[in-house]
Amino acid sequence: DAKTTQPPSMDCAEGRAANLPCNHSTISGNEYVYWYRQIHSQGPQYIIHGLKNNETNEMASLIITEDRKSSTLILPHATLRDTAVYYCIVRNAGGTSYGKLTFGQGTILTVHP
Amino acid sequence: NAGVTQTPKFRILKIGQSMTLQCAQDMNHNYMYWYRQDPGMGLKLIYYSVGAGITDKGEVPNGYNVSRSTTEDFPLRLELAAPSQTSVYFCASSSATANRNTIYFGEGSWLTVV
Repeated sequence: DAKTTQPPSMDCAEGRAANLPCNHSTISGNEYVYWYRQIHSQGPQYIIHGLKNNETNEMASLIITEDRKSSTLILPHATLRDTAVYYCIVRNAGGTSYGKLTFGQGTILTVHP
Repeated sequence: NAGVTQTPKFRILKIGQSMTLQCAQDMNHNYMYWYRQDPGMGLKLIYYSVGAGITDKGEVPNGYNVSRSTTEDFPLRLELAAPSQTSVYFCASSSATANRNTIYFGEGSWLTVV
């Protein structure tokens, strides 16, 4: 799997957009970008994933650069309940190693009033 | 659907004791996983299974055993518990189809070895 690099922490004001960056400069053509988050003391929660096109769902948007070497997770209107550790994971969707995600240190997002 | 259910939620073990963490999912997922998370750290994969009767080691399998006799259940066995196994354990599952990397996690089992 390609290595990812995320800032260790970020702050965001409640109601504003939270933009969480992730670098994955060694990503290969068949690797997807996944985002998960973990709210304190809870199990991780899937947010969104994408290959090369921008994606949006009810939770967030994912913007992937054209060269696919970086991406940004956008929480459009952050709330206090979005305070969590956010993990960016690059994963090969092929072969026998499906689903074996490796979680790094992630970004601690703190949303403040 | 209850999703992924783990039991017990909390447990204190003495050094050298053994125990089994139970995990069950009702989503008919082929893939199941066990992770551990030490305080302030990311998740590390212990074992995983791609279907009934098939298991494989993850990053940190030493001191643990698993079995997968049914699609629904994936118990994690700790033999001869050690303080280094004090951690939060998460069981998870995913489908074998298109969204196989969309993994659903249980609420965690907090284990302390004293």
